[in-house]
Amino acid sequence: DAGVIQSPRHEVTEMGQEVTLRCKPISGHNSLFWYRQTMMRGLELLIYFNNNVPIDDSGMPEDRFSAKMPNASFSTLKIQPSEPRDSAVYFCASSFQDGTQHFGDGTRLSIL
Amino acid sequence: GDSVTQMEGPVTLSEEAFLTINCTYTATGYPSLFWYVQYPGEGLQLLLKATKADDKGSNKGFEATYRKETTSFHLEKGSVQVSDSAVYFCALIYAGGTSYGKLTFGQGTILTVHP
Repeated sequence: DAGVIQSPRHEVTEMGQEVTLRCKPISGHNSLFWYRQTMMRGLELLIYFNNNVPIDDSGMPEDRFSAKMPNASFSTLKIQPSEPRDSAVYFCASSFQDGTQHFGDGTRLSIL
Repeated sequence: GDSVTQMEGPVTLSEEAFLTINCTYTATGYPSLFWYVQYPGEGLQLLLKATKADDKGSNKGFEATYRKETTSFHLEKGSVQVSDSAVYFCALIYAGGTSYGKLTFGQGTILTVHP
């Protein structure tokens, strides 16, 4: 079975550019999570969805960050405009009712 | 609110040594408890879990027992290998209310095993 699929795996762009990260959850999972991981702050939950509805976005750092889940098989995390401090590894995870989260391999984002 | 505290790292061991990584938690109700492992350059993977008191989760030689009386879920392995070098995260989930589905993670413990 396919796991959580994230794209791109690596992204390098200049500050001020728009960045869009994509995630395809495991089929049948009804919750989706976006995380950010850095050496300084560790693993941070940014936002999560249940049945495509955003439940908690309190971890989104500021208005430059936005996330959508237009259907059960796709989600995006957008940063506009991007800044060097946004450089991190961004993970998407999905889960079903037992709460076990399955993680993608992440997108390594570098903002120059 | 809910929280998870892991022992400070990094932990450095020789191959075949015994491993313990301590994890304690505070939570309302009766959470499920997890250990996740992250190998270099990869996402987190579920290592083992326990859903109720006195349950023992086990996988790949690792074990952890859900101890309600001490609010702990310590990870153990009798003989570590170089391939066990990774970051280990303890986590809990409380299946109730508006936080359903949201994992609370510890800060992670880096394990390095030398040959």
